[in-house]
Amino acid sequence: EVQLVESGGGLVQPGGSLRLSCAASGFTFSTYFMHWVRQAPGKGLMWVSRINGDGSMTHYADSVKGRFTISRDNAKNTLYLQMSSLRAEDTAVYYCTRDPGKNWFDPWGQGTLVTVSS
Amino acid sequence: QSALTQPASVSGSPGQSITISCTGTSSDVGGYNYVSWYQQHPGKVPKLMIYEVSNRPSGVSDRFSGSKSGNTASLTISGLQAEDEADYYCSSYTVTSSTLYVFGTGTKVTVL
Repeated sequence: EVQLVESGGGLVQPGGSLRLSCAASGFTFSTYFMHWVRQAPGKGLMWVSRINGDGSMTHYADSVKGRFTISRDNAKNTLYLQMSSLRAEDTAVYYCTRDPGKNWFDPWGQGTLVTVSS
Repeated sequence: QSALTQPASVSGSPGQSITISCTGTSSDVGGYNYVSWYQQHPGKVPKLMIYEVSNRPSGVSDRFSGSKSGNTASLTISGLQAEDEADYYCSSYTVTSSTLYVFGTGTKVTVL
Protein backbone atom coordinates (compact mmCIF):
# COMPACT_ATOMS: atom_id res chain seq x y z
CA GLU A 1 0.00 0.00 0.00
CA VAL A 2 1.31 3.42 -0.93
CA GLN A 3 1.72 5.61 2.15
CA LEU A 4 2.92 9.13 2.75
CA VAL A 5 3.33 10.27 6.35
CA GLU A 6 4.23 13.87 7.13
CA SER A 7 5.76 15.13 10.35
CA GLY A 8 7.51 18.18 11.73
CA GLY A 9 4.68 20.69 11.90
CA GLY A 10 4.03 22.86 14.92
CA LEU A 11 3.86 26.37 16.30
CA VAL A 12 6.66 28.72 15.27
CA GLN A 13 7.18 32.45 15.69
CA PRO A 14 7.26 34.80 12.70
CA GLY A 15 10.73 34.78 11.21
CA GLY A 16 11.40 31.29 12.52
CA SER A 17 12.27 28.06 10.76
CA LEU A 18 10.82 24.57 10.58
CA ARG A 19 11.63 21.39 8.67
CA LEU A 20 8.87 19.12 7.47
CA SER A 21 9.43 15.48 6.58
CA CYS A 22 7.39 13.06 4.52
CA ALA A 23 8.15 9.34 4.87
CA ALA A 24 7.15 7.34 1.82
CA SER A 25 6.50 3.61 1.55
CA GLY A 26 4.88 1.10 -0.75
CA PHE A 27 6.41 2.35 -4.01
CA THR A 28 9.76 3.03 -5.65
CA PHE A 29 10.27 6.50 -4.21
CA SER A 30 13.16 7.54 -6.45
CA THR A 31 11.10 7.17 -9.62
CA TYR A 32 8.48 9.77 -8.72
CA PHE A 33 8.29 13.52 -8.66
CA MET A 34 7.16 14.73 -5.24
CA HIS A 35 5.31 17.88 -4.27
CA TRP A 36 4.30 19.93 -1.27
CA VAL A 37 0.83 21.47 -1.37
CA ARG A 38 -0.63 23.56 1.43
CA GLN A 39 -4.09 24.53 2.62
CA ALA A 40 -4.64 27.48 4.93
CA PRO A 41 -7.41 27.01 7.51
CA GLY A 42 -10.78 27.11 5.78
CA LYS A 43 -9.16 27.93 2.43
CA GLY A 44 -8.32 26.19 -0.82
CA LEU A 45 -5.29 24.29 -2.00
CA MET A 46 -2.06 25.98 -3.05
CA TRP A 47 0.90 24.31 -4.74
CA VAL A 48 4.19 25.04 -2.96
CA SER A 49 7.06 23.10 -4.48
CA ARG A 50 8.14 20.16 -6.66
CA ILE A 51 11.26 18.01 -6.87
CA ASN A 52 12.15 15.42 -9.50
CA GLY A 53 13.15 11.84 -8.79
CA ASP A 54 16.87 12.27 -8.32
CA GLY A 55 16.56 15.66 -6.64
CA SER A 56 18.35 17.55 -9.39
CA MET A 57 15.43 19.82 -10.32
CA THR A 58 13.30 21.88 -7.97
CA HIS A 59 10.57 24.44 -8.49
CA TYR A 60 8.78 26.79 -6.12
CA ALA A 61 5.76 29.05 -6.01
CA ASP A 62 6.82 32.68 -5.99
CA SER A 63 5.33 33.18 -2.54
CA VAL A 64 7.88 30.79 -0.97
CA LYS A 65 10.84 31.13 -3.34
CA GLY A 66 14.01 32.00 -1.48
CA ARG A 67 12.50 31.00 1.88
CA PHE A 68 11.61 27.32 1.39
CA THR A 69 13.86 24.49 0.17
CA ILE A 70 12.57 21.13 -1.01
CA SER A 71 14.88 18.12 -0.91
CA ARG A 72 14.78 14.35 -0.77
CA ASP A 73 16.81 11.43 0.52
CA ASN A 74 16.07 8.48 -1.72
CA ALA A 75 18.05 6.13 0.50
CA LYS A 76 15.64 6.97 3.33
CA ASN A 77 12.54 7.30 1.13
CA THR A 78 11.94 10.70 2.66
CA LEU A 79 10.93 14.10 1.29
CA TYR A 80 11.73 17.32 3.13
CA LEU A 81 10.64 20.94 3.16
CA GLN A 82 12.94 23.34 4.97
CA MET A 83 11.01 26.49 5.75
CA SER A 84 12.64 29.70 6.96
CA SER A 85 11.65 33.35 7.44
CA LEU A 86 8.16 32.09 8.17
CA ARG A 87 5.24 34.48 7.99
CA ALA A 88 1.72 34.38 9.38
CA GLU A 89 0.44 33.71 5.87
CA ASP A 90 2.41 30.45 5.77
CA THR A 91 0.04 29.03 8.39
CA ALA A 92 -1.51 25.97 6.77
CA VAL A 93 -1.74 22.22 6.64
CA TYR A 94 1.15 21.03 4.49
CA TYR A 95 0.56 17.91 2.41
CA CYS A 96 3.14 15.87 0.55
CA THR A 97 1.92 14.16 -2.56
CA ARG A 98 3.25 11.93 -5.31
CA ASP A 99 3.34 12.63 -9.04
CA PRO A 100 4.27 10.04 -11.68
CA GLY A 101 5.61 12.85 -13.85
CA LYS A 102 2.24 13.46 -15.44
CA ASN A 103 1.26 16.50 -13.39
CA TRP A 104 -1.30 15.03 -11.05
CA PHE A 105 -1.18 14.37 -7.34
CA ASP A 106 -1.91 10.92 -5.92
CA PRO A 107 -2.01 9.95 -3.14
CA TRP A 108 -1.75 12.64 -0.47
CA GLY A 109 -0.35 12.30 3.00
CA GLN A 110 -2.47 13.12 6.03
CA GLY A 111 -0.89 16.55 6.32
CA THR A 112 0.98 18.38 9.06
CA LEU A 113 -0.18 21.69 10.50
CA VAL A 114 2.21 24.62 10.59
CA THR A 115 1.11 27.61 12.66
CA VAL A 116 3.12 30.82 12.47
CA SER A 117 2.18 33.09 15.34
CA SER A 118 3.74 35.03 18.17
CA GLN B 1 -0.92 33.62 -10.88
CA SER B 2 -4.63 33.68 -10.03
CA ALA B 3 -6.51 30.57 -9.00
CA LEU B 4 -8.73 28.85 -11.53
CA THR B 5 -12.36 29.96 -11.23
CA GLN B 6 -14.93 27.51 -9.92
CA PRO B 7 -18.48 28.14 -8.68
CA ALA B 8 -18.57 28.41 -4.91
CA SER B 9 -21.36 25.88 -4.59
CA VAL B 10 -23.39 23.43 -6.63
CA SER B 11 -26.28 21.36 -5.37
CA GLY B 12 -28.47 18.57 -6.61
CA SER B 13 -30.89 15.91 -5.47
CA PRO B 14 -29.94 12.26 -5.19
CA GLY B 15 -29.85 10.64 -8.61
CA GLN B 16 -29.42 13.90 -10.48
CA SER B 17 -26.38 14.99 -12.46
CA ILE B 18 -24.36 18.08 -11.68
CA THR B 19 -21.45 19.76 -13.45
CA ILE B 20 -18.68 21.82 -11.90
CA SER B 21 -16.81 24.23 -14.16
CA CYS B 22 -13.17 25.25 -13.86
CA THR B 23 -12.17 28.29 -15.91
CA GLY B 24 -8.60 29.30 -16.56
CA THR B 25 -6.62 30.73 -19.43
CA SER B 26 -4.64 29.59 -22.44
CA SER B 27 -1.60 29.45 -20.13
CA ASP B 28 -3.07 26.70 -18.00
CA VAL B 29 -6.35 24.84 -18.67
CA GLY B 30 -6.49 25.80 -22.33
CA GLY B 31 -2.84 25.13 -23.01
CA TYR B 32 -2.35 21.66 -21.57
CA ASN B 33 -4.26 18.44 -21.06
CA TYR B 34 -3.00 18.29 -17.50
CA VAL B 35 -6.23 19.11 -15.70
CA SER B 36 -7.01 17.01 -12.64
CA TRP B 37 -9.83 17.01 -10.08
CA TYR B 38 -9.75 16.31 -6.34
CA GLN B 39 -12.48 15.50 -3.83
CA GLN B 40 -12.06 16.56 -0.23
CA HIS B 41 -14.48 15.62 2.51
CA PRO B 42 -14.45 17.85 5.62
CA GLY B 43 -11.35 17.24 7.69
CA LYS B 44 -10.06 14.70 5.21
CA VAL B 45 -7.26 14.45 2.70
CA PRO B 46 -7.78 15.38 -0.99
CA LYS B 47 -8.43 12.41 -3.27
CA LEU B 48 -7.65 12.26 -6.99
CA MET B 49 -10.85 11.77 -9.01
CA ILE B 50 -9.84 12.66 -12.58
CA TYR B 51 -6.44 13.12 -14.24
CA GLU B 52 -5.40 14.39 -17.66
CA VAL B 53 -8.81 16.00 -18.22
CA SER B 54 -10.94 12.87 -18.49
CA ASN B 55 -9.16 9.80 -17.08
CA ARG B 56 -10.43 8.06 -13.97
CA PRO B 57 -8.02 6.34 -11.58
CA SER B 58 -8.85 2.76 -10.69
CA GLY B 59 -11.29 2.64 -7.82
CA VAL B 60 -13.06 5.89 -8.68
CA SER B 61 -16.72 5.47 -9.58
CA ASP B 62 -17.65 5.81 -13.25
CA ARG B 63 -20.28 8.31 -12.12
CA PHE B 64 -17.43 10.85 -12.23
CA SER B 65 -16.34 12.16 -15.62
CA GLY B 66 -14.24 15.04 -16.89
CA SER B 67 -14.03 17.10 -20.05
CA LYS B 68 -12.52 20.29 -21.41
CA SER B 69 -13.47 22.91 -23.96
CA GLY B 70 -11.13 25.79 -24.59
CA ASN B 71 -10.08 27.36 -21.31
CA THR B 72 -12.80 25.64 -19.26
CA ALA B 73 -12.68 22.16 -17.79
CA SER B 74 -15.68 20.42 -16.26
CA LEU B 75 -16.35 17.66 -13.76
CA THR B 76 -19.70 15.90 -14.02
CA ILE B 77 -21.12 13.74 -11.28
CA SER B 78 -24.01 11.60 -12.46
CA GLY B 79 -26.41 9.67 -10.25
CA LEU B 80 -25.59 11.99 -7.33
CA GLN B 81 -25.24 10.20 -3.98
CA ALA B 82 -25.06 11.45 -0.41
CA GLU B 83 -21.40 10.41 -0.19
CA ASP B 84 -20.56 12.81 -3.03
CA GLU B 85 -21.16 15.78 -0.74
CA ALA B 86 -17.69 17.33 -0.43
CA ASP B 87 -15.43 20.08 -1.73
CA TYR B 88 -14.02 19.65 -5.21
CA TYR B 89 -10.90 21.32 -6.61
CA CYS B 90 -9.57 21.39 -10.14
CA SER B 91 -5.87 21.77 -10.87
CA SER B 92 -3.86 22.53 -13.96
CA TYR B 93 -0.24 22.53 -14.96
CA THR B 94 0.87 25.96 -16.06
CA VAL B 95 4.02 27.64 -17.17
CA THR B 96 4.13 31.07 -15.69
CA SER B 97 6.78 32.95 -13.83
CA SER B 98 5.02 32.51 -10.52
CA THR B 99 4.01 28.86 -10.27
CA LEU B 100 4.01 25.47 -11.99
CA TYR B 101 0.55 24.41 -10.91
CA VAL B 102 -2.63 26.28 -10.14
CA PHE B 103 -5.66 25.04 -8.23
CA GLY B 104 -9.26 26.10 -8.56
CA THR B 105 -11.08 28.13 -5.95
CA GLY B 106 -13.04 25.07 -4.87
CA THR B 107 -16.70 24.06 -5.14
CA LYS B 108 -18.88 22.83 -2.30
CA VAL B 109 -21.22 20.13 -3.57
CA THR B 110 -24.38 19.70 -1.54
CA VAL B 111 -26.72 16.76 -1.93
CA LEU B 112 -30.22 17.99 -1.14
